[in-house]
Amino acid sequence: AQTVTQSQPEMSVQEAETVTLSCTYDTSESDYYLFWYKQPPSRQMILVIRQEAYKQQNATENRFSVNFQKAAKSFSLKISDSQLGDAAMYFCAYLNDMRFGAGTRLTVKP
Amino acid sequence: DGGITQSPKYLFRKEGQNVTLSCEQNLNHDAMYWYRQDPGQGLRLIYYSQIVNDFQKGDIAEGYSVSREKKESFPLTVTSAQKNPTAFYLCASSIDLTAYEQYFGPGTRLTVT
Repeated sequence: AQTVTQSQPEMSVQEAETVTLSCTYDTSESDYYLFWYKQPPSRQMILVIRQEAYKQQNATENRFSVNFQKAAKSFSLKISDSQLGDAAMYFCAYLNDMRFGAGTRLTVKP
Repeated sequence: DGGITQSPKYLFRKEGQNVTLSCEQNLNHDAMYWYRQDPGQGLRLIYYSQIVNDFQKGDIAEGYSVSREKKESFPLTVTSAQKNPTAFYLCASSIDLTAYEQYFGPGTRLTVT
């Protein structure tokens, strides 16, 4: 079975600083999509960013960007200029198989 | 507004009772999914459906059942056979199975005592 691993159960960042959340995955496919979802205390799952595996360019969405290393099967999320509203659980997802990582709880300190 | 609705937000049941969780979408999506979320375990797939009258088991289907009689609706029944039903349940949909990007409802917290 394909797996998605988030090795950091908790992370903390100072407001306005940058933080990187890690994710590795396992797949034998060559074409796939990867996603980062945010789950704030309301528990609503919000799509943050997506990456198509065939694209070499890393995806960016405003303050959110990814570092996609296909050969290493690594898909990290970088949050720049962290804001208090970024505090949430973050899930990495390989949705070809409908699989999610266990999540990383991000705390933002004022 | 287009979106996914789940009701109710909180649900309480006695052990031994079946309970049905509602999920409705007006996004005109073909594919729908049910996930279970427990603390520290991320989301685990219970069932998914790629089209009306068709659905497939996910990783943890035992003790659950679903139906897909309408494109918009994908209700989940938690049966008395589910050994540990207390959890947060999330419904999601996508354009189809190949579109992969999933949109989520607000979830239902089920507590069984």
